[in-house]
Amino acid sequence: DAGITQSPRHKVTETGTPVTLRCHQTENHRYMYWYRQDPGHGLRLIHYSYGVKDTDKGEVSDGYSVSRSKTEDFLLTLESATSSQTSVYFCATAGISDGELFFGEGSRLTVL
Amino acid sequence: DQQVKQNSPSLSVQEGRISILNCDYTNSMFDYFLWYKKYPAEGPTFLISISSIKDKNEDGRFTVFLNKSAKHLSLHIVPSQPGDSAVYFCAASVGNEKLTFGTGTRLTIIP
Repeated sequence: DAGITQSPRHKVTETGTPVTLRCHQTENHRYMYWYRQDPGHGLRLIHYSYGVKDTDKGEVSDGYSVSRSKTEDFLLTLESATSSQTSVYFCATAGISDGELFFGEGSRLTVL
Repeated sequence: DQQVKQNSPSLSVQEGRISILNCDYTNSMFDYFLWYKKYPAEGPTFLISISSIKDKNEDGRFTVFLNKSAKHLSLHIVPSQPGDSAVYFCAASVGNEKLTFGTGTRLTIIP
């Protein structure tokens, strides 16, 4: 257990509204990731971070932005939510880049 | 383009028998492979991994086999137990970079 907390765990919002998901870790892991899980697609990487203020895009980054101002926090923002962003979002951390990923419990987002 | 594929969305196995989950990949540069297990309403958890320099790695009831020429890996669970019922994801990476996951296989162990 890498001490990863995601908030909120559940959120329902309307199309066009901004949404921010928060990931907080207590393990001082350098690497942090945001994935989304969708039926038929498995887990797809949205954005990742390899240190404070160092972030990069994953394979499905359009419509998402991230920020990491502190080691322990990694925020995922949907500037203007769309129905296609309805999904379960998972945060993950790793102590080293090829190390085991530790996942949070997920945040279920529904965009109406 | 799905670089890591799990072609069986679901699998049912009798308790005590062997469960075999399969995964195929297309990127020959992948050099590190992992399996993750996921229960409902929880995040995935690491199960077992294998480096491309090996063709087998064993951990208790779990064994992962890698066939580089066929770009195929498999996870064997023996004997299968009810607690093994979960969704299993395979994942792969290139040179210590970020993981690419498959679509998952839902394993159901029948008592």
